[in-house]
Amino acid sequence: GAVVSQHPSRVICKSGTSVKIECRSLDFQATTMFWYRQFPKKSLMLMATSNEGSKATYEQGVEKDKFLINHASLTLSTLTVTSAHPEDSSFYICSARRDRVGGELFFGEGSRLTVL
Amino acid sequence: AQTVTQSQPEMSVQEAETVTLSCTYDTSESNYYLFWYKQPPSRQMILVIRQEAYKQQNATENRFSVNFQKAAKSFSLKISDSQLGDTAMYFCAFMNPLGGTASKLTFGTGTRLQVTL
Repeated sequence: GAVVSQHPSRVICKSGTSVKIECRSLDFQATTMFWYRQFPKKSLMLMATSNEGSKATYEQGVEKDKFLINHASLTLSTLTVTSAHPEDSSFYICSARRDRVGGELFFGEGSRLTVL
Repeated sequence: AQTVTQSQPEMSVQEAETVTLSCTYDTSESNYYLFWYKQPPSRQMILVIRQEAYKQQNATENRFSVNFQKAAKSFSLKISDSQLGDTAMYFCAFMNPLGGTASKLTFGTGTRLQVTL
C-alpha cells in the first residue's frame, strides 16, 4: 500500500509558540490531503481539506488563523498550530488520497501535540 | 449532512471466536462508499474493508466481511477467527463521492474491540 508519513510524531511546546506538523506522501502524488483532530478515546474530527496549490477548505468551527494549512506540493502538506494553548493539545492525523474518486485514503501515523 | 452511528462503544471476544460490530448511517444519496477502519494502539488508521453502495455483493477480505443492508442503512463488520492482533478501535466511515477527489470521510464514534485469550 501507499505510505504517508507524519513528522514529528510527538511534540511538546510552550504556550504561545507555534508548531508545524508535516504530512508527506512518500510513494505517490496526493491530489488531496485531509487533516483531522482526535481527542482521547474519541473519533476523528475533520479540520480541513487541503488541495495542492490552493487554499485549504476548513470545516465549520475550525479557526483558519489558528490552524494554518499549506499544501505546497503534491507530496507535502503542513499544519501549523499558531500561538498554541493547552486546549490545542491533541492527536493530529493527516490522510492523503492518491487518485480516483472514492479512492482509498492513506493515513499518517499521527502527531501528538502537548502544549504546556 | 451524513451521520454515522456505532452503538457499541466496547466489545470483547475470545480468540478464535467471531464478533460482529454494528454501524448504521443516514444519507439521502444513492451512491456512496462505506469503510471500516482499524486503529490499533499505535494509532495509525488502517483500512479493513470497503463497500461501494451500488454493489449488492457484500465485501470480504480474508477474515473480515460485511453485511451491507442498503435499505436499512446498515453496514456491520464481522470478524471471524478473532486474533489478538485484532484488538483495536474500529471506526465505520461514510463517503459521498460527489466531492470528487476532495470527498471526505465521516466517521462514527468507534467501537473498542478487545480480543482475549
